Amino acid sequence: AQTVTQSQPEMSVQEAETVTLSCTYDTSENNYYLFWYKQPPSRQMILVIRQEAYKQQNATENRFSVNFQKAAKSFSLKISDSQLGDTAMYFCAFTTNSGNTPLVFGKGTRLSVIA
Amino acid sequence: DADVTQTPRNRITKTGKRIMLECSQTKGHDRMYWYRQDPGLGLRLIYYSFDVKDINKGEISDGYSVSRQAQAKFSLSLESAIPNQTALYFCATSDLGGLNTDTQYFGPGTRLTVL
Repeated sequence: AQTVTQSQPEMSVQEAETVTLSCTYDTSENNYYLFWYKQPPSRQMILVIRQEAYKQQNATENRFSVNFQKAAKSFSLKISDSQLGDTAMYFCAFTTNSGNTPLVFGKGTRLSVIA
Repeated sequence: DADVTQTPRNRITKTGKRIMLECSQTKGHDRMYWYRQDPGLGLRLIYYSFDVKDINKGEISDGYSVSRQAQAKFSLSLESAIPNQTALYFCATSDLGGLNTDTQYFGPGTRLTVL
């Protein structure tokens, strides 16, 4: 069974600084997708970034980027120039590309951006 | 212009009552999901449906049932609500194929309280 682990329950960062959130996963599959979702206080689940395992290039979306290490089964999220609006829960998630398995989520990291 | 809507957004009910949470989507996706979120536990899958004729149990289906009335509609029922079903419930959709294959898009959530 696939598992996703987020080892940092809570983190904080000063506004304008950079922070990295960790995620590791366990799978025997070779082809899969990884995601980071953001859940602000409004509780809406918002897709931040998506990575396909067959792509060696790390995905980026504006201030958000990932460090995908397939051999280590690691998928960390880097937030640059942190803003107060980045304060949220962040969830790492995984699915295989077989098309038959739903997402598996980590338990989340609560990020606080401090002014 | 929400693509995935959930009704109601908030609901308070009493132990033993039957309650239905509804989800509708305009994204044209075949796949729909129901999750439950509890503090510290992340999102856990209750049921999922890959098309109108397909229903699958997730990690925590006991005490819940679902109905896929149409491609766009997927409802979750609690036949006899109990207090430990107090949680935040999310509906999500995804599609298979295309640039965003297997990416899940979430509704705004329903806060359910069972007294």
